[in-house]
Amino acid sequence: GAVVSQHPSWVICKSGTSVKIECRSLDFQATTMFWYRQFPKQSLMLMATSNEGSKATYEQGVEKDKFLINHASLTLSTLTVTSAHPEDSSFYICSASPPLSSYEQYFGPGTRLTVT
Amino acid sequence: GDSVTQMEGPVTLSEEAFLTINCTYTATGYPSLFWYVQYPGEGLQLLLKATKADDKGSNKGFEATYRKETTSFHLEKGSVQVSDSAVYFCASGDQGGKLIFGQGTELSVKP
Repeated sequence: GAVVSQHPSWVICKSGTSVKIECRSLDFQATTMFWYRQFPKQSLMLMATSNEGSKATYEQGVEKDKFLINHASLTLSTLTVTSAHPEDSSFYICSASPPLSSYEQYFGPGTRLTVT
Repeated sequence: GDSVTQMEGPVTLSEEAFLTINCTYTATGYPSLFWYVQYPGEGLQLLLKATKADDKGSNKGFEATYRKETTSFHLEKGSVQVSDSAVYFCASGDQGGKLIFGQGTELSVKP
């Protein structure tokens, strides 16, 4: 089956620093990748949609300058949390869709970010 | 805007019990509906889906029917197993692939 990995699985950083999270589709090419944020005991909230080779589309209320998304290849998308603050602490999940299959999304295992 | 509401958990059942997890949605168009499952330490996996009204999705003994008249997509299983213990998410999706998730329902099945 289709596998999506995320790295790192957890990260701790200090306030004011930046942290990069990678999302990779291991056995298929993903023209579209999605980034979600999940708070404890709450639902996944879509942050942005990224298409390979173009700028990401951010959901309302998500700061594009704070959450930088790059989808440089068909197998890799990165989310960089810039100038992180404790309120950015959360569980970040990516998903990837194969070409012409927008209904199919394969999810990564998530990255736990803690900002101290 | 569009939204998905599912019953709160945690739900605790004995093995072989009947399971129902309620899910309702609001949408301006005609979304596809999904149930995803998240096992401990793993990513979300698609459990089943239905793309139009009256469709029934099924997989691994789980079923859900797309009910347009009640805007519902309730998840059911006739006999749960300990291995079904997980968090279940209901979601609606538009044609562009954007998913809106419910808050998740944690299921715990005891032997």
